[in-house]
Amino acid sequence: EAQVTQNPRYLITVTGKKLTVTCSQNMNHEYMSWYRQDPGLGLRQIYYSMNVEVTDKGDVPEGYKVSRKEKRNFPLILESPSPNQTSLYFCASSSLLGQTYEQYFGPGTRLTVT
Amino acid sequence: QQQVKQSPQSLIVQKGGISIINCAYENTAFDYFPWYQQFPGKGPALLIAIRPDVSEKKEGRFTISFNKSAKQFSLHIMDSQPGDSATYFCAASRDGTASKLTFGTGTRLQVTL
Repeated sequence: EAQVTQNPRYLITVTGKKLTVTCSQNMNHEYMSWYRQDPGLGLRQIYYSMNVEVTDKGDVPEGYKVSRKEKRNFPLILESPSPNQTSLYFCASSSLLGQTYEQYFGPGTRLTVT
Repeated sequence: QQQVKQSPQSLIVQKGGISIINCAYENTAFDYFPWYQQFPGKGPALLIAIRPDVSEKKEGRFTISFNKSAKQFSLHIMDSQPGDSATYFCAASRDGTASKLTFGTGTRLQVTL
């Protein structure tokens, strides 16, 4: 079954305590992305990756880091979380399929920073 | 700076009716336009997507209409069903792939009996 998994699903942490949200896909997709979803703002891209060791900034990268050491994994790192990073985070993976793209999103990680 | 404007914010349609959601974009470099459906507590799911070289694409009850000169595209849901009640997002890609996406702010659709 095609799947994007994220862990943890829920996380409450304190300002400044480093955390990592993991993302893994089982479809051998080249592309992976991280988004945050906030009410009234839709989804905003944080970082994306075109393949192993190739990453680039999205629209809201400040305060986040990523790495892509293996094709299946794309962790999101918050080195010093702040309350304005409280949000719902989604990981996605995609690959070209004919004229369009096959794309899947993970179930989301709800992060609260106090 | 909102590059993809989506309307309406919310929509109520009777069962069997047509739901229409509109999006407008500013960046003429956008070249891939997907739509997503999201149910509460779930991640978005890709519904249908179009490239600017076609004006319409249909998959089942879902149709995208694309107007390149007006820089607008819309999602039509024919014969809307209560199970279609969800939030819908349009998006546009900056590089023709599904990775560099800019999303609209979403439309909450409610289909009533």
